[in-house]
Amino acid sequence: QVQLQQSGPGLVNPSQTLSLTCVISGDSVSSNRATWNWIRQSPSRGLEWLGRTYYRSQWLNVYAESVKSRITINADTSKNEFSLQMNSMTPEDTAVYYCARSAPYQEWLDPWGQGTLVTVSS
Amino acid sequence: QSALTQPASVSGSPGQSITISCTGTSSDIGAYNYVSWYQQHPGKAPKLMLYDVNNRPSGVSNRFSGSKSGNTASLTISGLQAEDEADYYCNSYARGDTMVFGGGTKLTVL
Repeated sequence: QVQLQQSGPGLVNPSQTLSLTCVISGDSVSSNRATWNWIRQSPSRGLEWLGRTYYRSQWLNVYAESVKSRITINADTSKNEFSLQMNSMTPEDTAVYYCARSAPYQEWLDPWGQGTLVTVSS
Repeated sequence: QSALTQPASVSGSPGQSITISCTGTSSDIGAYNYVSWYQQHPGKAPKLMLYDVNNRPSGVSNRFSGSKSGNTASLTISGLQAEDEADYYCNSYARGDTMVFGGGTKLTVL
C-alpha cells in the first residue's frame, strides 16, 4: 500500500524559507493516476489545503490563493518524493504540515504523512 | 476560497445517532460529488472515513454514512460509541482544481 514519510525541520526563523519533503513508497510521484498534496493544520486556521503537484504528460501545480505568492511544490522523480517550500515565514505559519495523496476523479486524501510540527520563531 | 462551514461541536450518548453538517457553495460542494470526511484523534493525522459523499473505505464501520443536498453535505454516525469521540472534518474538491476543508466539528460522546 502507499505510504508517505515526511521529513524537515521543526523550527524555522521568521522571514526564512520552510522546506519539507514527502517520500513516497508504494507508488510513483510521476504516476498519471496520482496527485500529491500539502495540507497544514493550526488551531487558528484548522485544516488548510495548500497545493498539489501532479504529472499528466507534463508537471502541473495548483496552489491555494492564500499562499500562492509564497509557495512552491516540486517533485523529484529520482528520489520518488515531492517537496514544499514556503518563503517569508511568520509566526502565523506555525502549524502541523501534512502531505497526502489523491487522484484524478478520486478527489479524497489518503494516505496522509505522519505530520511535521513547524514552529516559526527566533 | 472560503472554508466550508461546520458546527463547532456536537454531542450524543452511546447508541444514539448524530449528524454533522458541512455547508459550502456552488463552486465546491454544489458543483462536485467529491465530498470526503475525516476523523482525527488528538495528536494523529486525519483518517479518511467517507469519500465521494457516501462511500466508505475498506475497514470503516457502516455506522458512518453521508449525504449531500445542494451546497450542504452531512455525515451521520449511528450507534455512537466512545471511540467515535474525535474531531471531524469535511473536504470538497473545488473549482480551479483546488480543495477546501471545513472548520472541523468536535464530537463528544456523553
